[in-house]
Amino acid sequence: AQSVTQLDSHVSVSEGTPVLLRCNYSSSYSPSLFWYVQHPNKGLQLLLKYTSAATLVKGINGFEAEFKKSETSFHLTKPSAHMSDAAEYFCVVSGGDDKIIFGKGTRLHILP
Amino acid sequence: EPEVTQTPSHQVTQMGQEVILRCVPISNHLYFYWYRQILGQKVEFLVSFYNNEISEKSEIFDDQFSVERPDGSNFTLKIRSTKLEDSAMYFCASRLLGTGSNSPLHFGNGTRLTVT
Repeated sequence: AQSVTQLDSHVSVSEGTPVLLRCNYSSSYSPSLFWYVQHPNKGLQLLLKYTSAATLVKGINGFEAEFKKSETSFHLTKPSAHMSDAAEYFCVVSGGDDKIIFGKGTRLHILP
Repeated sequence: EPEVTQTPSHQVTQMGQEVILRCVPISNHLYFYWYRQILGQKVEFLVSFYNNEISEKSEIFDDQFSVERPDGSNFTLKIRSTKLEDSAMYFCASRLLGTGSNSPLHFGNGTRLTVT
């Protein structure tokens, strides 16, 4: 079985400052990990995925995530926030079965 | 780029009525999923489907729910007798490969179901 914990339900940063959205996971199997973004009243868009080829994964819109097995973490970062980054972000884990599990989400607020 | 499409975008129904939510997954994908998101809450797994049968389902997916792939392109979710608490956004997703792969889910834009 797998689970995923997003440590912050809300994060607020000023435009132009770094973003850190935290995610910890547990999985009995070697997991696949993803980040999805959901803009208001929109569907779910894939930001990036962990493929096991590299621990630092680059995604769309300047986002990155680093897989740290020793910490069971897959935190999402961006060096400089933009107003358009305001959205809900979901960390997702897929393990040894077909129940792909979403974290509870982190709402990112960008302050002008 | 191929997309998952869902219809309708919004469905309003009365309590006790049956609803069918429709999805057209990406054509070469083999694994299909339904998720729901009650307003303001997390995205919850309902069911996964592969090779014309359910591969996993959650506790939410009780006897009131069923899924079908009637014609090789559509993937439907039926709720037999809707309850007020079924009001939610329902997302369909598909992916090329399944268990143990890093094949990502591709989501549709969702159907907002409102039960009155």
